Amino acid sequence: DAKTTQPTSMDCAEGRAANLPCNHSTISGNEYVYWYRQIHSQGPQYIIHGLKNNETNEMASLIITEDRKSSTLILPHATLRDTAVYYCIVREGYGQNFVFGPGTRLSVLP
Amino acid sequence: GAVVSQHPSWVICKSGTSVKIECRSLDFQATTMFWYRQFPKQSLMLMATSNEGSKATYEQGVEKDKFLINHASLTLSTLTVTSAHPEDSSFYICSARTLADSYNEQFFGPGTRLTVL
Repeated sequence: DAKTTQPTSMDCAEGRAANLPCNHSTISGNEYVYWYRQIHSQGPQYIIHGLKNNETNEMASLIITEDRKSSTLILPHATLRDTAVYYCIVREGYGQNFVFGPGTRLSVLP
Repeated sequence: GAVVSQHPSWVICKSGTSVKIECRSLDFQATTMFWYRQFPKQSLMLMATSNEGSKATYEQGVEKDKFLINHASLTLSTLTVTSAHPEDSSFYICSARTLADSYNEQFFGPGTRLTVL
């Protein structure tokens, strides 16, 4: 079973920051937090991942709480092309596959 | 960046026929490949894990005789849906991972939409 809970859906105005929360209260010390997104009828696209420090790349920022029980994915300036289902996944180590929950359906509105 | 391709991107077949879907890692060697299935408005469900040169490991409830997986090389895995039926219509997605993957990412293919008439 997926180890994360996310809101079913969210809306965001174009140009504004999209903040997508994820709860992973049972995360263990060696589990990473990954974020992927899936645009309609495409394969999942990697966004970012982290262990305990906040991370930033060209796509997004990942903020992980100090107790690691939750995290937030931030798309700083959402565009219409960011409309997708966003999956927060926790995974331990190298030998594990990804278990996808239902994700959050983000709709970026003009 | 690492690229995974799938072929075909979509296929329509008659009930009772078999369909083969290819998954290729284009610029890296994939020691492990995963096959997922996604029904409309649902999340991805892992079907099986295959390591190059060995038999695939199937998830509970997935019929290994119906969904044949071959991972004969480090860049190619195939999924064959045998005697397909309308309930097998779905979006099939593969992903690949390499031993050189220091970030523990999995790279996903674009998916193959199978429609069985």
